[in-house]
Amino acid sequence: QVHLQESGPGLVSPSQTVSLTCSVSGASIISDGYYWSWVRQRPGKGLEWIGYAFQSWTTDYNPSLRSRATIAVDISEGQFSLTLQSVSGADTATYYCAATVVDTTVGPTQGRFYGMGVWGRGTTVIVSS
Amino acid sequence: DIVMTQSPLSLPVTPGEPASISCRSSQSLLHRNGKKYLDWYLQRPGQSPQLLIYLGSIRASGVPDRFSGSASGTDFTLKISRVEADDVGVYYCMQARQTPWTFGQGTKVEFK
Repeated sequence: QVHLQESGPGLVSPSQTVSLTCSVSGASIISDGYYWSWVRQRPGKGLEWIGYAFQSWTTDYNPSLRSRATIAVDISEGQFSLTLQSVSGADTATYYCAATVVDTTVGPTQGRFYGMGVWGRGTTVIVSS
Repeated sequence: DIVMTQSPLSLPVTPGEPASISCRSSQSLLHRNGKKYLDWYLQRPGQSPQLLIYLGSIRASGVPDRFSGSASGTDFTLKISRVEADDVGVYYCMQARQTPWTFGQGTKVEFK
């Protein structure tokens, strides 16, 4: 069973860079069976997809982050990270890592997305001076 | 971006009664593989979101069969046949047909 655990600094100063890590257990970080995503939730607000990494060399991002976000996979550590540059108060949020299951069965169902079936507990980032 | 619009945004419910949430996408979510890439999630108070339904109508592992999902064109519906205490929270639809993956605004389900 896949398990995800986020970690981060908690408090970040405006204009600085924040780095968050998601540790993965129960699956290989380079498996073709998962897309590894970051999703955030501002206080009292809804969910916002930030981006994903797949098999360490494929990434995609929400344009709303205006190229400030970078997701990277650390194969040796079995974890993936989110780096967010030039943070402001609008980046204050709970950040979740999540895994989307992908059907790897050779045949007509191959490549189907089966939803973000695994979530971490989230890590809170507060941007404040 | 594909815009996901949920209704209602607030849903008072009575335990034991049915409930229904709608979600409309601004574009087709039909993939070339013939499936609609629409998920439903429940976020209980103070918890992480939990996957309920994927590909529009398939219940995730461990999800009670009182939850069901359906689709008609770009309209999607999540139904709870009989609401239980554990069903209180915010429900989100999300499309994964194209990036950026986008969520609906959320529907808050609470007891009357």
